[in-house]
Amino acid sequence: QKEVEQNSGPLSVPEGAIASLNCTYSDRGSQSFFWYRQYSGKSPELIMFIYSNGDKEDGRFTAQLNKASQYVSLLIRDSQPSDSATYLCAVSWNNDMRFGAGTRLTVKP
Amino acid sequence: DTGVSQNPRHKITKRGQNVTFRCDPISEHNRLYWYRQTLGQGPEFLTYFQNEAQLEKSRLLSDRFSAERPKGSFSTLEIQRTEQGDSAMYLCASSLPDQTYMNTEAFFGQGTRLTVV
Repeated sequence: QKEVEQNSGPLSVPEGAIASLNCTYSDRGSQSFFWYRQYSGKSPELIMFIYSNGDKEDGRFTAQLNKASQYVSLLIRDSQPSDSATYLCAVSWNNDMRFGAGTRLTVKP
Repeated sequence: DTGVSQNPRHKITKRGQNVTFRCDPISEHNRLYWYRQTLGQGPEFLTYFQNEAQLEKSRLLSDRFSAERPKGSFSTLEIQRTEQGDSAMYLCASSLPDQTYMNTEAFFGQGTRLTVV
């Protein structure tokens, strides 16, 4: 069974703080890892993807991957109220893609 | 081409009726996915196409659900004899061909919200 696990939250951080979102996955054969953001009533939109162990930075976002621990995370620096959304972790096995249930993030002004 | 297009955006149907949704992927994207999402949950994988070939179908999917992608372009998802539990957002996504045995990111349409009454 291919599983992707996320803490459902809600996670609440003050504006300007670092938000840390975590995800674990079950299949060691997983190849690609994605973070999507989903606003209420909207479809998911891609924030970042990562393939290799280590960190990948894009603006205020950093994705971290540890394949040995089967763990992927997303850090959001200088959190803004507009970052308030559900963050979905997605993991790809041999060309299909499975999602976690998502973590709801609230950034308070 | 502005992105993945799904039609209709909303569908209300009576229990027991059949419904069909359409997805037009981004052109040159040969992969197409269907997902179902209910409130507070992440997208649940339903099925996946590479060109016209349906490569995988969720074991959780009942026989009432069928998907096609003739000619490897647009896709349709049909639900027969709808039940109230089928009420959800049905999302379609597409992605580019895999060149290095690693998946590329999927882009989502706006979804079709199905309500079964």
